[in-house]
Amino acid sequence: SQLAEENLWALSVHEGESVTVNCSYKTSITALQWYRQKSGEGPAQLILIRSNEREKRNGRLRATLDTSSQSSSLSITATRCEDTAVYFCATVPSSGSWQLIFGSGTQLTVMP
Amino acid sequence: GGIITQTPKFLIGQEGQKLTLKCQQNFNHDTMYWYRQDSGKGLRLIYYSITENDLQKGDLSEGYDASREKKSSFSLTVTSAQKNEMAVFLCASSIDRGRAEQFFGPGTRLTVL
Repeated sequence: SQLAEENLWALSVHEGESVTVNCSYKTSITALQWYRQKSGEGPAQLILIRSNEREKRNGRLRATLDTSSQSSSLSITATRCEDTAVYFCATVPSSGSWQLIFGSGTQLTVMP
Repeated sequence: GGIITQTPKFLIGQEGQKLTLKCQQNFNHDTMYWYRQDSGKGLRLIYYSITENDLQKGDLSEGYDASREKKSSFSLTVTSAQKNEMAVFLCASSIDRGRAEQFFGPGTRLTVL
């Protein structure tokens, strides 16, 4: 089973709406990163949130982290067509391997 | 800023063929990675390297070799391509391993006939 996974395969919204992508994980972590991957490109980091942080913002993006429920969310406000992408969460385990554990991603489509 | 380039962008091979993918970065990062991305799945680590001439196996290293002859370059070899295999191979680099942000190249899309 996945050690990190986004809760939905796909979401679609209309431009201007807000949307939230959720992620759950199964290990104790030191940090969680959100990445975005546009079609034909490699992933690009959006936000890194540490285990002692509850919320982090970056422009129209807001990430939350709840270590008690082992979950995170990424919210995007005032969505634009160019936000269309696959969104991944990636966790950094706090013990054992340092490797980033990527979820399978949520495809977000923002329609005009 | 910096950039990661991967060559080739598309790679078509035959079953059993040995195939090499190349990656270059100009961030001057110490750590480089190779990931495999299958449709609908997360990225899986094949190999990583923390410095020139260092190689460390990831969870998916079987069937692959890697080489880090220079700090700026990291190559991956598929030792024997599997029929009908299709995946995207992503190269990344970071200042160090662990929590550091990883910067990714655009990927090499492999198709095996």
